[in-house]
This record gives sequence, C-alpha cells and structure tokens, in this order.
Amino acid sequence: GENVEQHPSTLSVQEGDSAVIKCTYSDSASNYFPWYKQELGKGPQLIIDIRSNVGEKKDQRIAVTLNKTAKHFSLHITETQPEDSAVYFCAASISGGSNYKLTFGKGTLLTVNP
Amino acid sequence: DAMVIQNPRYQVTQFGKPVTLSCSQTLNHNVMYWYQQKSSQAPKLLFHYYDKDFNNEADTPDNFQSRRPNTSFCFLDIRSPGLGDAAMYLCATSRLTGWNQPQHFGDGTRLSIL
Repeated sequence: GENVEQHPSTLSVQEGDSAVIKCTYSDSASNYFPWYKQELGKGPQLIIDIRSNVGEKKDQRIAVTLNKTAKHFSLHITETQPEDSAVYFCAASISGGSNYKLTFGKGTLLTVNP
Repeated sequence: DAMVIQNPRYQVTQFGKPVTLSCSQTLNHNVMYWYQQKSSQAPKLLFHYYDKDFNNEADTPDNFQSRRPNTSFCFLDIRSPGLGDAAMYLCATSRLTGWNQPQHFGDGTRLSIL
C-alpha cells in the first residue's frame, strides 16, 4: 500500500519568514495530494490540493509543488503569520474505482514566532 | 453554512460501557468516513459509507461499528471501550469516492475512558 513520509516533524520560523514542508510517497499511481491544517482541538481543514496533471498550484500565501518523477510534493507558506501555527498533514490517494483512501503523513507542527 | 457537525465534542465513558458518537452533514455528500486520531498522530481511517454501502478497513477492531440511517447522519458505536480507544474521533465527508474528491472534516469528538 501507499506510504507517505513527511518532514520535518516540527518547524519553527519567525513571523514573515517562509516555511516549507516536504512529503514523499511510494505508490506512483497516486494522483491526488491534499494538504490539511489542524489547529488545536479542531478537525483537519483542507487548505490546498494538487492533482497529478499539474506541477504547481498557488493560493495567496500558500503554494504546493509536485514532482511526479521523484514522487515528492511540498507545501510552501510565505510571509508566515502567528495564525499559521498549527499541525499540517500531507496526504496522497489514488483515484478510480473504489479507491478513495487518503494516506496521511505523520504531520508537521509549525510554530510561527511573533 | 454547510458543514460537518459532530456531537458531542467531548465524551467520557467507563471502561466497557458502550458509547455512540454522532456526525451529521449538510453538504449532501455521498460518502461519510470515520477516523481515529490519537495524540500527535495522523488520522487513521476506521471505515466509510458510500451511500448505504459499508466499507470496513481490514485492521479496524470488531469493537467498532457504524450506522448510517440516512444521507445526513452517521454514527460510530464502540461496543466495549477499552483504555486504548481513548482518542479524537473525526467524521469526514466527500461527494464521491475516488477521482480526487476532497474530504471535509468535522471538529471531532474527544473520547475519554475512565
């Protein structure tokens, strides 16, 4: 089955700096890669996703890049703010048929220091 | 606003005493999922419903059951909770399985076992 590895497990940055979180996946058939932000005591919230037919997607301060050859994808947050502090999870899934399962990385605790 | 609602947010039960957690959605999504999330870990899929079709993960203990009486509601039943079942339980929905449909999470129910 799919295996997703996520690094780093913790990341501390100064407000205004950029943060990058990286994930690798094992199954080359995976073609959907969402990123979730989970604040303390809340459920994961989808912040951005990318499909395998594109290499990069951007939404304001957040961007995701995908390298299918290397089987890795990354989350980039620019101009970080204290409210970006949370746990971020990457995930991968394979579309088609009854395949639906999201395989999550272990999460990255991002702390943005004011 | 359309959303995924979980009740209660916090649930305390006794060792071995059956407990039911509930989830409702106003998104009219076909699929409802139940995840277990332990502290500092990624969500772990327990099972999901595609409409009325129940799909159990191979490693989900028999102690965990689910019911979906209609499109909007889904329940997680834990027949005889053990101390190891203390966790956050997350409900999620998606419009269709496969084909890269985003999953939308509720804020979870934190279950404690006395």
